[in-house]
Amino acid sequence: DAGITQSPRHKVTETGTPVTLRCHQTENHRYMYWYRQDPGHGLRLIHYSYGVKDTDKGEVSDGYSVSRSKTEDFLLTLESATSSQTSVYFCATKAGGAEFMNTEAFFGQGTRLTVV
Amino acid sequence: SQQGEEDPQALSIQEGENATMNCSYKTSINNLQWYRQNSGRGLVHLILIRSNEREKHSGRLRVTLDTSKKSSSLLITASRAADTASYFCATGGGGKLIFGQGTELSVKP
Repeated sequence: DAGITQSPRHKVTETGTPVTLRCHQTENHRYMYWYRQDPGHGLRLIHYSYGVKDTDKGEVSDGYSVSRSKTEDFLLTLESATSSQTSVYFCATKAGGAEFMNTEAFFGQGTRLTVV
Repeated sequence: SQQGEEDPQALSIQEGENATMNCSYKTSINNLQWYRQNSGRGLVHLILIRSNEREKHSGRLRVTLDTSKKSSSLLITASRAADTASYFCATGGGGKLIFGQGTELSVKP
């Protein structure tokens, strides 16, 4: 693994409560991504970041917000969790810059979130 | 909607046989990548093919890319039980990395 840590690894929360998932990297990668994985849907991009304080929406961003105040940390927040947000969430990182345009992403081990 | 669509969704073969998975995508790309996911784990990168390449090999893996058809295929030769996993294609461009729905490969001993 390329030094990517997700926390927590498991969480059960109640509908309507705020939840923040953390992704921490030690690779100094420019790009960071949040995905959710659900049966039959593969991985869907929620938000991604291309630098400190630079973020953009992905395919399924409604109900989620992100922040990146440091290169190494990318936070995903569910402002008011709903049952439809029960999923496994993966963080990924990738080196940036023109010389790294064609490089692979590295994934964390995932966070299993259950909203009851 | 997702950029990459994979086919088949599930594939079951015997050890020693070849496994072929296909991926189609919608927009222009810089590269196309294949990843593997073992049950309950994060994804692991297998191989990357650039938009100006047509074929690439890595060990028992062979990837082809046809940009005119916006499609790619992953061939795993002489499969092993340990190849049992889900396989995903991903397309990269402009910083985004978009994944397909994946193919579940089961290799029976």
